[in-house]
Amino acid sequence: SQKIEQNSEALNIQEGKTATLTCNYTNYSPAYLQWYRQDPGRGPVFLLLIRENEKEKRKERLKVTFDTTLKQSLFHITASQPADSATYLCALGGYSGGGADGLTFGKGTHLIIQP
Amino acid sequence: EPEVTQTPSHQVTQMGQEVILRCVPISNHLYFYWYRQILGQKVEFLVSFYNNEISEKSEIFDDQFSVERPDGSNFTLKIRSTKLEDSAMYFCASSDEVAGNYEQYFGPGTRLTVT
Repeated sequence: SQKIEQNSEALNIQEGKTATLTCNYTNYSPAYLQWYRQDPGRGPVFLLLIRENEKEKRKERLKVTFDTTLKQSLFHITASQPADSATYLCALGGYSGGGADGLTFGKGTHLIIQP
Repeated sequence: EPEVTQTPSHQVTQMGQEVILRCVPISNHLYFYWYRQILGQKVEFLVSFYNNEISEKSEIFDDQFSVERPDGSNFTLKIRSTKLEDSAMYFCASSDEVAGNYEQYFGPGTRLTVT
């Protein structure tokens, strides 16, 4: 069956360091992978999308890599700040070949940036 | 900045009652979605909607659920006869997917409590 795994329940990082979050998947062939941020009691907020033919994408302090052979994406936050503390969700889509694909989400990694 | 809005923010209902959750997607978006998140669990896809019809639905979206775009701005999710296990946060999302813009924009959610 299809499965998405995100590393650890919680990740504690010292302020200023780089946080690296992992997303592994099995039994999928997604056309793209997305990362979202979710704060408690709020809806997911889109951060980055990377397509199957892209290796790396950057946006400000964020970087995403996508390895379709390993079936893995890494999400990096450089120069982390306490305000980056949140749950980060990995989501896959585009496997139906059509538009309006429902996303399949992982459970998320709870990131805590300590001052 | 345009955003997805949802009403009500919290809905309490008795088991067996019908509920309608409302969403106003971003105005120029063409694709609409409903997701749910049971407390402490992952975000789960329910249904997607395009061109006034369902594009895709998950196993969760059974005959108790229906969606409608009653006018040019609203998008609704109806649960005909609520069960205790329908208690969750329900998120509406929209995307334009024009020129491959597959990122989805989520609303703040409606917390549904079935008693």
